[in-house]
Amino acid sequence: GAVVSQHPSWVICKSGTSVKIECRSLDFQATTMFWYRQFPKQSLMLMATSNEGSKATYEQGVEKDKFLINHASLTLSTLTVTSAHPEDSSFYICSARGGQTQHFGDGTRLSIL
Amino acid sequence: EDQVTQSPEALRLQEGESSSLNCSYTVSGLRGLFWYRQDPGKGPEFLFTLYSAGEEKEKERLKATLTKKESFLHITAPKPEDSATYLCAVQAVGSEKLVFGKGTKLTVNP
Repeated sequence: GAVVSQHPSWVICKSGTSVKIECRSLDFQATTMFWYRQFPKQSLMLMATSNEGSKATYEQGVEKDKFLINHASLTLSTLTVTSAHPEDSSFYICSARGGQTQHFGDGTRLSIL
Repeated sequence: EDQVTQSPEALRLQEGESSSLNCSYTVSGLRGLFWYRQDPGKGPEFLFTLYSAGEEKEKERLKATLTKKESFLHITAPKPEDSATYLCAVQAVGSEKLVFGKGTKLTVNP
């Protein structure tokens, strides 16, 4: 139980393009989902908290106009990286809260050329 | 500010050689302390939640313990398949947010 699916797992694109990442809770409903970013040998850093049907709450220093989050249903949240640049290259991971526990997807490796 | 420090950064063990990983934390009020396992290129896999000092939880070769300042993840007679990065995170009272440490990369050699 408590499976979270994230898609795509890997994407390479040119600088200036926008990339959408999907996060789905497959066997439970998640009113709250979270988006993290992880750099090599670093902690998972929370970017934003996404609540179904309302605007996302962004952490300090995260540009909300650059990282667009939509949580339109109880099983799906999306993160769109707009006008991506090489410095946005990272490992993006979503999680969904089931009960008191956050369950994580397998992440998306984003490489911007 | 809530903080989590994990030590050591990396640990190499021989198969069967038991050891412990440390997670020191400071938090305004602890709602829960979480242990996750992360394999390369994957998302974290939930292992345990601990809520109060003195609490212990076990799963196969892993046992997690909690005090007011730190948590230990004890690994008994590890196997090569236990090789992974182990992450510790805390959640403060009144917050949904998890604050993670940098992890301990465990390698178990056969």
